Amino acid sequence: NAGVTQTPKFRVLKTGQSMTLLCAQDMNHEYMYWYRQDPGMGLRLIHYSVGEGTTAKGEVPDGYNVSRLKKQNFLLGLESAAPSQTSVYFCASSYNWGDEQYFGPGTRLTVT
Amino acid sequence: GENVEQHPSTLSVQEGDSAVIKCTYSDSASNYFPWYKQELGKRPQLIIDIRSNVGEKKDQRIAVTLNKTAKHFSLHITETQPEDSAVYFCAARGVHKLVFGAGTILRVKS
Repeated sequence: NAGVTQTPKFRVLKTGQSMTLLCAQDMNHEYMYWYRQDPGMGLRLIHYSVGEGTTAKGEVPDGYNVSRLKKQNFLLGLESAAPSQTSVYFCASSYNWGDEQYFGPGTRLTVT
Repeated sequence: GENVEQHPSTLSVQEGDSAVIKCTYSDSASNYFPWYKQELGKRPQLIIDIRSNVGEKKDQRIAVTLNKTAKHFSLHITETQPEDSAVYFCAARGVHKLVFGAGTILRVKS
């Protein structure tokens, strides 16, 4: 039981490049979330999903897209990376929206 | 939508002392309030949570209190130890998501 895993762990992009972050969970959770964490700003929700095939915008969705084609996977895409997207990205999942969220190990992204 | 404020942003205590972190929330409909601990370079992990039908919950050295009338909740850590040094986040449940506070850096000096 791996819990929540994220790929890759680190990435450096140039401005304008695109990339996809992969989140996978093996706990059969319905809900999945993408957060970004910046110093002094806590965890801010980018997008979330309440089940396979669904996605919804969170607090800071601009510049990001997501897809949930399979229940266990939640992908976060950056279409045209900007330096403001330099951050640590965490994926999380929960069985229901009122339950404990389990976090992945994070992806440290730097955009130059 | 829900808004959560957390204080203080940093807290230094001597080993063995108590630490208290406070949060306020805006949505009176919120009914679930978890606390997460994040050690340096690691993922956030749930340490305790409370639901709105109780006023206090305790788990060994940590406790959480909730005042629904005032819309605030607090984390209490007693007999602090160096391994308690971390960033602590409070959160309140909004619609389909949690809203997190900005975090408190707790340093326990030995």
